[in-house]
Amino acid sequence: QQQVKQSPQSLIVQKGGIPIINCAYENTAFDYFPWYQQFPGKGPALLIAIRPDVSEKKEGRFTISFNKSAKQFSLHIMDSQPGDSATYFCAAVGNFNKFYFGSGTKLNVKP
Amino acid sequence: DAGVTQSPTHLIKTRGQQVTLRCSPKSGHDTVSWYQQALGQGPQFIFQYYEEEERQRGNFPDRFSGHQFPNYSSELNVNALLLGDSALYLCASSLQWNTEAFFGQGTRLTVV
Repeated sequence: QQQVKQSPQSLIVQKGGIPIINCAYENTAFDYFPWYQQFPGKGPALLIAIRPDVSEKKEGRFTISFNKSAKQFSLHIMDSQPGDSATYFCAAVGNFNKFYFGSGTKLNVKP
Repeated sequence: DAGVTQSPTHLIKTRGQQVTLRCSPKSGHDTVSWYQQALGQGPQFIFQYYEEEERQRGNFPDRFSGHQFPNYSSELNVNALLLGDSALYLCASSLQWNTEAFFGQGTRLTVV
């Protein structure tokens, strides 16, 4: 049973475009929703995170939109750059910091 | 601050063997979690250690066991290795009750 569903599986955008990655969850007990960026051969790096009491959070070029009633959240990358090409994972966190990850989205930003 | 460090970075083992992976948490962190990441998949929670005890466990068999030492570092042991155990094993550290977790670079385990 997959706790967090992530889409799309892969995404190709041109430099300057705004890729959007979506995630959905079922368990209303989740109370922390981070996004991680992972480059090949590296561990995931925390990008941005949100709690369900806010609907949007921006950090630099990264924005999380959160819809509590729909149990969905998404990552937007403004003015995307080739250096943003990586795999992105959403996660939902419940009791005792147990992370449930989505299946990942491989982003390719073309120059 | 060295962040979360894991050793070794790569490992090749034969089916049926046993393996031990090591993790040093970020300075000041007291909680260590282990994850298995198969190729092309998201990390899957194995278990979590706090105060030298296993606090939570994911859906992994007893072949997977762990330990946390008084300095908060941790080991992951896998017995009777199967080909399907080939994966990137990630360690994440955090502070108790603080959801912000930092991951190490992982140990790539290949079982042949």
